[in-house]
Amino acid sequence: AQSVAQPEDQVNVAEGNPLTVKCTYSVSGNPYLFWYVQYPNRGLQFLLKYITGDNLVKGSYGFEAEFNKSQTSFHLKKPSALVSDSALYFCAVRDEENNFNKFYFGSGTKLNVKP
Amino acid sequence: DAGVIQSPRHEVTEMGQEVTLRCKPISGHNSLFWYRQTMMRGLELLIYFNNNVPIDDSGMPEDRFSAKMPNASFSTLKIQPSEPRDSAVYFCASSLDRGPNSPLHFGNGTRLTVT
Repeated sequence: AQSVAQPEDQVNVAEGNPLTVKCTYSVSGNPYLFWYVQYPNRGLQFLLKYITGDNLVKGSYGFEAEFNKSQTSFHLKKPSALVSDSALYFCAVRDEENNFNKFYFGSGTKLNVKP
Repeated sequence: DAGVIQSPRHEVTEMGQEVTLRCKPISGHNSLFWYRQTMMRGLELLIYFNNNVPIDDSGMPEDRFSAKMPNASFSTLKIQPSEPRDSAVYFCASSLDRGPNSPLHFGNGTRLTVT
């Protein structure tokens, strides 16, 4: 069965420091992985995706994610955090077995960036 | 591009009343998804449509919930009768179903409160 795990409910980081939000996945076929961000009272916004190719994927707002097949991980990273990055982050995997129609979301990680 | 449009943004109703949530997907998108978000259960897929046809409604909690997509530009999620445990934020999302590349685009949600 397909699943996504985000082991940290919350990540705290100081502004200017690098940040990492962790995600591991389990799929039966090829993984198609996504990161979304949710600001208060808003819907989820697409940040970046991994489909194939380079393991390091760059996305919006300076975020990037590293795909690691052996560790089945897709951690979200940013070299220098901003206070405005504080939000809820979701990792998701797309289900190949259902013609890619189903997305499986993690439980979300709240990122707190302090000045 | 106006994005996915949901209405109303907030709905407060009394237990037993009928509630109808509305969604207009992004023009040209052929897949539409209804999600529910709560603190306890996170993001849950309720139902999704492909080319206006319901494909998987296994996430619909019970018979009180129903969803329709009469045409490519409109969908409704109805709860009848509503109960306090239905209180949540309901999101509609759409995507262009062309394989794994297509991310989901979310609306800003409807916050439902059933008293």
